[in-house]
This record gives sequence, structure tokens and C-alpha cells, in this order.
Amino acid sequence: GQQLNQSPQSMFIQEGEDVSMNCTSSSIFNTWLWYKQDPGEGPVLLIALYKAGELTSNGRLTAQFGITRKDSFLNISASIPSDVGIYFCAGHLENDMRFGAGTRLTVKP
Amino acid sequence: ETGVTQTPRHLVMGMTNKKSLKCEQHLGHNAMYWYKQSAKKPLELMFVYSLEERVENNSVPSRFSPECPNSSHLFLHLHTLQPEDSALYLCASSQVPLGHANTGELFFGEGSRLTVL
Repeated sequence: GQQLNQSPQSMFIQEGEDVSMNCTSSSIFNTWLWYKQDPGEGPVLLIALYKAGELTSNGRLTAQFGITRKDSFLNISASIPSDVGIYFCAGHLENDMRFGAGTRLTVKP
Repeated sequence: ETGVTQTPRHLVMGMTNKKSLKCEQHLGHNAMYWYKQSAKKPLELMFVYSLEERVENNSVPSRFSPECPNSSHLFLHLHTLQPEDSALYLCASSQVPLGHANTGELFFGEGSRLTVL
């Protein structure tokens, strides 16, 4: 099946820095979603994007649905220690939903 | 009360044991899912239930057996597992099933960490 390529696999940043991660696919999706998983918890939805080219913000988070419908990125501005966790992208088309392998974010105070 | 609750949170079992994982959703959703999460891998969809009927089984070995007695409860029965089955098992729900004008928004439980010795 189609794979989502999520990068980077991990990031180590200083508190206050901005973060950028992305997801690409060989196939198109109708919806792109970004989830965050805190240690010992299940993933929680951060942002959902429904339209090619859409740019959506949720606090310090900004995500975009690529115009080709084959990619998406997530930016986090002014990172704080509680941003630590694993961020997953997911692409959805009809009855198919695929997840990326995740970006593990570590924030050093 | 959290939207999707899973029990137990941690389970250690031998290869000959029989155990079950339980999931309950309090969101009034109509679809429930089991996912397997292994380190550094994408989430793997195992089973999907829509209105209590199984609609997808992604070639999961028969040693995993799901049960959905009603729209709020989902079980995963485990029997004769292998060490490579050790993983975090996540339950999720959505308001409508995938493919039915679904937006792709899933609500996950906290997971059951399974270790098979």
C-alpha cells in the first residue's frame, strides 16, 4: 500500500526554537491530519486539513495541505518543554487512512 | 471521564496465555478501531467496526480475535501470541466510519502496552 514518508525521524531543539516537519506521499489524499502522542498516552488530534492549499493554525502550530494533495507540513513556533512527544501525520482518502512513522521531538530547556 | 478508555494499560503474558484487551468509548461514535503501534513504525490498522459490524480485517493473524458487543465497547482477545506481538495496542473511535463522509478524525485511547514473553 501507499506509504507516507515523514521527516525528520527525530529532532533535538532548544526551548524557544521553531520546528518544522513534513510528510509526503506518492498518492493523493483528501484530508491531512496531524496528531501528537505524549509519552505513555494515545495520539491526540492537533490539526485537520480538508482542502488543497489550506493553511490552518492552532495556537503556536501551523499546518498546510500541499497543493498537489501529496504532502503536508507542520510548524511549531517558539517551542516549549511540553511540546515534547511524537508527532504523526496521517492522510485520509475514502476508506483508507495512512500514518507516517512519526517525528520524535525533544525540547531542551 | 475521558472519551476513549482502555484496560489494562499494561499486560504481560506468556505465549500460551489467553487474555483480552478492553476499550470503551463515551463519545457516542459509530465506528471503533484497533491499531498496533510498534516502535518507529507507522500505526498499523488491525480491525474496524462500524455499527458493531466488522468491516475490515487487515490480514491480522487469527491469534487476535476482535469482538464488538455494542457501539460503545470493543475487545481484542489474545491467544497463543508470539514475542513479536509485543507492542502498544491502541483503540480509536470516530463519529462515522471511514469511507462514509468521514473526515479522518480519530479519537484514541491511551493504549494497552502488551509484552509477550
